[in-house]
Amino acid sequence: GEDVEQSLFLSVREGDSSVINCTYTDSSSTYLYWYKQEPGAGLQLLTYIFSNMDMKQDQRLTVLLNKKDKHLSLRIADTQTGDSAIYFCAESMGGSSNTGKLIFGQGTTLQVKP
Amino acid sequence: DAGVIQSPRHEVTEMGQEVTLRCKPISGHDYLFWYRQTMMRGLELLIYFNNNVPIDDSGMPEDRFSAKMPNASFSTLKIQPSEPRDSAVYFCASTPRAGGGETQYFGPGTRLLVL
Repeated sequence: GEDVEQSLFLSVREGDSSVINCTYTDSSSTYLYWYKQEPGAGLQLLTYIFSNMDMKQDQRLTVLLNKKDKHLSLRIADTQTGDSAIYFCAESMGGSSNTGKLIFGQGTTLQVKP
Repeated sequence: DAGVIQSPRHEVTEMGQEVTLRCKPISGHDYLFWYRQTMMRGLELLIYFNNNVPIDDSGMPEDRFSAKMPNASFSTLKIQPSEPRDSAVYFCASTPRAGGGETQYFGPGTRLLVL
């Protein structure tokens, strides 16, 4: 079945780069997403990438997609303490018959030390 | 728009009681999703609706759980009777349509504690 895997925890120092990795199984996924969840809040979309792209950059965020290996990564440059949160990777389901349904990974807790 | 609205934000109840969680999606969004988040199981999709019709309820854990969407602006998730293992954060999310990179917009969640 469809599955999205992430490492559970990452700790970095303020100012360093953070790289959060994700693997997925549904090769027909059209879009892949990164969400951020701050304590006590719901999930908010950070960025997404279309499956025919290899890279997408948005200010401090860089998303890399390796479709062959079904590997997605999120790089946060110059990580700040405000970036401390849980980061979820998600893939869209159903390919061309997109159902609107997403499959989420278990989330990576990013801890940023001052 | 105010975003996805959920109520109550916090609920504490005793085992055996009925619990009703409420959600108002963003106006014009055709899809509505109910999720449950726990430390042990992460984020689980319980059920989702398209144009008020339940499409996939395979994530609903037991018959004690039921969800309805009587109109485009309101949905409920009911647990009857509630059990301590139902303690979790329940999120509602909506999206305007499938495909096209449309994201799901999440509500703030309802934190449920069943004693």
